[in-house]
Amino acid sequence: DGGITQSPKYLFRKEGQNVTLSCEQNLNHDAMYWYRQDPGQGLRLIYYSQIVNDFQKGDIAEGYSVSREKKESFPLTVTSAQKNPTAFYLCASNSGFQETQYFGPGTRLLVL
Amino acid sequence: GEDVEQSLFLSVREGDSSVINCTYTDSSSTYLYWYKQEPGAGLQLLTYIFSNMDMKQDQRLTVLLNKKDKHLSLRIADTQTGDSAIYFCAERRNQGGKLIFGQGTELSVKP
Repeated sequence: DGGITQSPKYLFRKEGQNVTLSCEQNLNHDAMYWYRQDPGQGLRLIYYSQIVNDFQKGDIAEGYSVSREKKESFPLTVTSAQKNPTAFYLCASNSGFQETQYFGPGTRLLVL
Repeated sequence: GEDVEQSLFLSVREGDSSVINCTYTDSSSTYLYWYKQEPGAGLQLLTYIFSNMDMKQDQRLTVLLNKKDKHLSLRIADTQTGDSAIYFCAERRNQGGKLIFGQGTELSVKP
């Protein structure tokens, strides 16, 4: 089965802690994206990567970091600098920057 | 402005048609998309339309595009309870290929 997987489904963060959200795809897509979704709002772009070992900041990158060491994987770290991390995080990918994006099932991050 | 606008809620009766509206901002946007999100899930691509088209039909879904007014609509015929979800429109900006999403319209289908 081809698709995008995100883990965990739920994640709890303690104050001052960094947490990492996983995103893996087996679609052979070059580009991958991280979005944040808050209730009643659209999706906002955090980071994106068009190719391995390269990534760019989106609209709300502060307090987040990413890496793209493998084509299949694009993990997102929510650092302690992100003061309001509670949200639903969605990963997406596409075969090229101009192509249709497909989404994973999401990770809900909650703060203890 | 920068925002893609959608109304937040729509309620219909089962069997009726639903029409979800969206206004976008960039007249040079190349593609416009409709995604569906069920509770606690990711976004599922429903359909998309290229900017040189006026209409696209796909089974129960009809997309209408008015480029002059930068208005996009999604019509769902014979709406079922399984259609209850949040529907997002998104535009692909010509510059950089970035996707800009609306706030989402929550569709509630009553039996």
